[in-house]
Amino acid sequence: EAQVTQNPRYLITVTGKKLTVTCSQNMNHEYMSWYRQDPGLGLRQIYYSMNVEVTDKGDVPEGYKVSRKEKRNFPLILESPSPNQTSLYFCASRVGAGNSPLHFGNGTRLTVT
Amino acid sequence: GQQVMQIPQYQHVQEGEDFTTYCNSSTTLSNIQWYKQRPGGHPVFLIQLVKSGEVKKQKRLTFQFGEAKKNSSLHITATQTTDVGTYFCAGGSQGNLIFGKGTKLSVKP
Repeated sequence: EAQVTQNPRYLITVTGKKLTVTCSQNMNHEYMSWYRQDPGLGLRQIYYSMNVEVTDKGDVPEGYKVSRKEKRNFPLILESPSPNQTSLYFCASRVGAGNSPLHFGNGTRLTVT
Repeated sequence: GQQVMQIPQYQHVQEGEDFTTYCNSSTTLSNIQWYKQRPGGHPVFLIQLVKSGEVKKQKRLTFQFGEAKKNSSLHITATQTTDVGTYFCAGGSQGNLIFGKGTKLSVKP
């Protein structure tokens, strides 16, 4: 089954404790992206990757890191999480062309205390 | 920067009433996509419009792309409780997608 898999689904952590949210897709998609969703703010792009070893900042990259060492994986790293990063996070992928639809993972609800 | 404005933010309707959400871009778009997110779920792709003035239908849903490719609308005829969720538009520009903030639809039975 074609899918985007995120882990974990829920995560509660404390300020400053490094964490990684994993994202994997099995559709051989070139493009992958991370979004955060907050009430009233919609989906805001954090980082995206057009292909392996190519990453770019989205609209809200501060406090986040990503890597794209393999085509299927695109982990989101919070080196020192803060409470304002409490949010619902979605990973998404699509075929490289800009007109292709995005396939979203099920989301990761992160709480930073 | 480029923005896609979506209104209204919330819409409450009685079952059977119609519903429309609108998106407006500050720049010309290459395409527009629509997504639906059910409560507790993730966004799911509904449709893409590419051509100026394009109109597409999916059962009770009608999608339009403006002549200038700067605006779009989603209209649902005779809403049902299964239509509940948040509808997002996303405008394609320079290889990336810019999401509107979404319209949250609630339907009272």
